[in-house]
Amino acid sequence: GQQLNQSPQSMFIQEGEDVSMNCTSSSIFNTWLWYKQDPGEGPVLLIALYKAGELTSNGRLTAQFGITRKDSFLNISASIPSDVGIYFCAGQKDDKIIFGKGTRLHILP
Amino acid sequence: DGGITQSPKYLFRKEGQNVTLSCEQNLNHDAMYWYRQDPGQGLRLIYYSQIVNDFQKGDIAEGYSVSREKKESFPLTVTSAQKNPTAFYLCASSIVPYGEQYFGPGTRLTVT
Repeated sequence: GQQLNQSPQSMFIQEGEDVSMNCTSSSIFNTWLWYKQDPGEGPVLLIALYKAGELTSNGRLTAQFGITRKDSFLNISASIPSDVGIYFCAGQKDDKIIFGKGTRLHILP
Repeated sequence: DGGITQSPKYLFRKEGQNVTLSCEQNLNHDAMYWYRQDPGQGLRLIYYSQIVNDFQKGDIAEGYSVSREKKESFPLTVTSAQKNPTAFYLCASSIVPYGEQYFGPGTRLTVT
């Protein structure tokens, strides 16, 4: 079946650093979504992308819908402690929405 | 404020008992979903409903049941047939089926 490969699985960074993560698939999608989940809470929608090549920002977060429609990228600039959590991508096409397994972001003191 | 509520936040049950998890939304969304999340895993779809009085099995429906009698409500019953029910359960909704999904805060179920 369809799968999303999300990487890295985990990352450790210093506060103030920029962060990059991505999702790739062998299938094309019509929509890419990025969520953040805090420990013990439900995922919160950060950014939605609807068009190949689209670049969308939400504060310090920027996400891009890959030209091939098979991938998407999320960047976080100047990380702060509250950025800690798990970031999920999701790809949607027709009657399916597929979630990646998440990138767990740790910020070192 | 519009949103999705799940209750309770934590639930404890003895093995062999059925348990029902509540999910309510006041977003006027047509579609609702139940996911299971285990440590280190992504979200696995249990059941989804595109419209009132209709629902379909997801990838891991065995041992679970749902109902959708009202647009606002989509309760999930974890039956005694579910072999490994301890997990974090997330409910979500979307305006249209397979659209952007908005999640509730989750219920952590522990069965001993």
